[in-house]
Amino acid sequence: DAGVIQSPRHEVTEMGQEVTLRCKPISGHDYLFWYRQTMMRGLELLIYFNNNVPIDDSGMPEDRFSAKMPNASFSTLKIQPSEPRDSAVYFCASSRTGQGSSYNSPLHFGNGTRLTVT
Amino acid sequence: LAKTTQPISMDSYEGQEVNITCSHNNIATNDYITWYQQFPSQGPRFIIQGYKTKVTNEVASLFIPADRKSSTLSLPRVSLSDTAVYYCRNDMRFGAGTRLTVKP
Repeated sequence: DAGVIQSPRHEVTEMGQEVTLRCKPISGHDYLFWYRQTMMRGLELLIYFNNNVPIDDSGMPEDRFSAKMPNASFSTLKIQPSEPRDSAVYFCASSRTGQGSSYNSPLHFGNGTRLTVT
Repeated sequence: LAKTTQPISMDSYEGQEVNITCSHNNIATNDYITWYQQFPSQGPRFIIQGYKTKVTNEVASLFIPADRKSSTLSLPRVSLSDTAVYYCRNDMRFGAGTRLTVKP
């Protein structure tokens, strides 16, 4: 089991540029989550998918952010245009359907993408 | 959505038992309580999960009282490598976490 794979590991870009973060979940997992982590705001849930369908995107900061999951083994988080306040570590996590509710199964996190927007 | 509350930080010494308590007053009937550990430059890692009473694995124990409004993560005989941030979670969102520092 390779775990959740995220790329790139680090991304440095200039304000206004488009940024695309990528995630490969663990095979067989039907939930995929995107989180953002900063010192000020901690771990924030941005969006999550179930069976490739977006279920809750209420955490997406604004229209500049978009996420897709074209198939069970790949997801992207795109920021266009990027701004310095988007600088953070972005984590992808996956899980199987859990007991009782959709979020009871333990999450498996990737090692994140550290985004710096100058 | 349910909110969790934990102490911001804790200090301990090697070999001591550490107990971190999390408050989740509005936990839903179907919710489990899950604890994660996070080291710098890594994603959070699952430690333990429970619904009620006590759960123990090779890493930690989790105590959940009958009303389920709180839970306590117990780390026996901590070492320097246990220095990390610990999060409790009972829905989609994470709380602020507890930064544990283990000193020699």
